[in-house]
Amino acid sequence: KAGVTQTPRYLIKTRGQQVTLSCSPISGHRSVSWYQQTPGQGLQFLFEYFSETQRNKGNFPGRFSGRQFSNSRSEMNVSTLELGDSALYLCASSLGGGGNIQYFGAGTRLSVL
Amino acid sequence: AQSVTQLDSQVPVFEEAPVELRCNYSSSVSVYLFWYVQYPNQGLQLLLKYLSGSTLVKGINGFEAEFNKSQTSFHLRKPSVHISDTAEYFCAVRDSNTNAGKSTFGDGTTLTVKP
Repeated sequence: KAGVTQTPRYLIKTRGQQVTLSCSPISGHRSVSWYQQTPGQGLQFLFEYFSETQRNKGNFPGRFSGRQFSNSRSEMNVSTLELGDSALYLCASSLGGGGNIQYFGAGTRLSVL
Repeated sequence: AQSVTQLDSQVPVFEEAPVELRCNYSSSVSVYLFWYVQYPNQGLQLLLKYLSGSTLVKGINGFEAEFNKSQTSFHLRKPSVHISDTAEYFCAVRDSNTNAGKSTFGDGTTLTVKP
């Protein structure tokens, strides 16, 4: 069974630009959660999508948005990039129940110059 | 709301020695508990989880953890570490009353195993 796939693996953008990251979950998984990982703030929850609906949202500004498609693939978008958005963005997929294991992708490393 | 405190940011240890990585949590609701490992340039891999039942949980790669409800702790242990265990370890909690996929993570503990 294929794991969680995130594309691209690396991305370099400049301030003010926007970026879209993609996450393909494990087949059959309906929940996709996104996390931002930085040395200063650690792992922080961005949002979770379940069956195309946002089910949970973390404390990030509106510049961070996401969506989920009918095949459970998810995208997150960051508009008007800031230097502080440089981070490893991880997505995790699960069947959707609270005790279900979250399987993480390798992440997309975003550098904002 | 939940919070997780990993009491040691770095733990150096010699190969074949035992190790304990400490994790305390705070929550107003009951939680599920998890330990993950992250190797450089990779995502997180689940080591073990506590949902209910026996408070001693065994995971992959010889790791185990004990849930202590009164002390709100979930410490990770391994009786004998290998060089390949060098990595960053994260403790996480999730609300057990909902189906939410939101996990709250600690700041991580860097385990360095020396020969």
